[in-house]
Amino acid sequence: GEDVEQSLFLSVREGDSSVINCTYTDSSSTYLYWYKQEPGAGLQLLTYIFSNMDMKQDQRLTVLLNKKDKHLSLRIADTQTGDSAIYFCAESIGPNKLIFGTGTLLAVQP
Amino acid sequence: DADVTQTPRNRITKTGKRIMLECSQTKGHDRMYWYRQDPGLGLRLIYYSFDVKDINKGEISDGYSVSRQAQAKFSLSLESAIPNQTALYFCATSEPGTSGSNEQFFGPGTRLTVL
Repeated sequence: GEDVEQSLFLSVREGDSSVINCTYTDSSSTYLYWYKQEPGAGLQLLTYIFSNMDMKQDQRLTVLLNKKDKHLSLRIADTQTGDSAIYFCAESIGPNKLIFGTGTLLAVQP
Repeated sequence: DADVTQTPRNRITKTGKRIMLECSQTKGHDRMYWYRQDPGLGLRLIYYSFDVKDINKGEISDGYSVSRQAQAKFSLSLESAIPNQTALYFCATSEPGTSGSNEQFFGPGTRLTVL
């Protein structure tokens, strides 16, 4: 069945890079997404990558996709305290729905 | 103004009560979704609707029902609330892009506690 897994917690120091990892099971996923959830708020789309791409960079964010291993990662360069949030990866199952991971809580220490 | 709004934002109720959670959107999207979020489990899809006449069950629809009153409104009901329905509930909308992307836009969430 469809399953998306993430580690639950990551702690980094301000200014360091953060890498959040995700594994998924459905090889037919067309898009993979990273969403950010700040405390008390809904999810906001950070970035997404089409399945025929290996990498996508957007300012401080770098997404790497390894389709062979079904592994997705989000790298945040120069992590700031404002980056503290829960990060969800999600895979698109056809045009109809998203399967979300369990979320990774990123804690940024000053 | 927020594009996707949910009411109420917080609700405490008792076991056996009927509860309705409302979602409204001004994005003009046809597709709407209800999810619940539990710690360590991520988001799980309860129901989704692709237009006013279309309602589909998600992975955890038991104990819930929905109504799509208009393109802009999608409500979630708990007919007889039970404590394990205590969770954070999110509404989302989407509109399929020409490239097939299914980006979803989320409301702020409703925190429901069932005693």
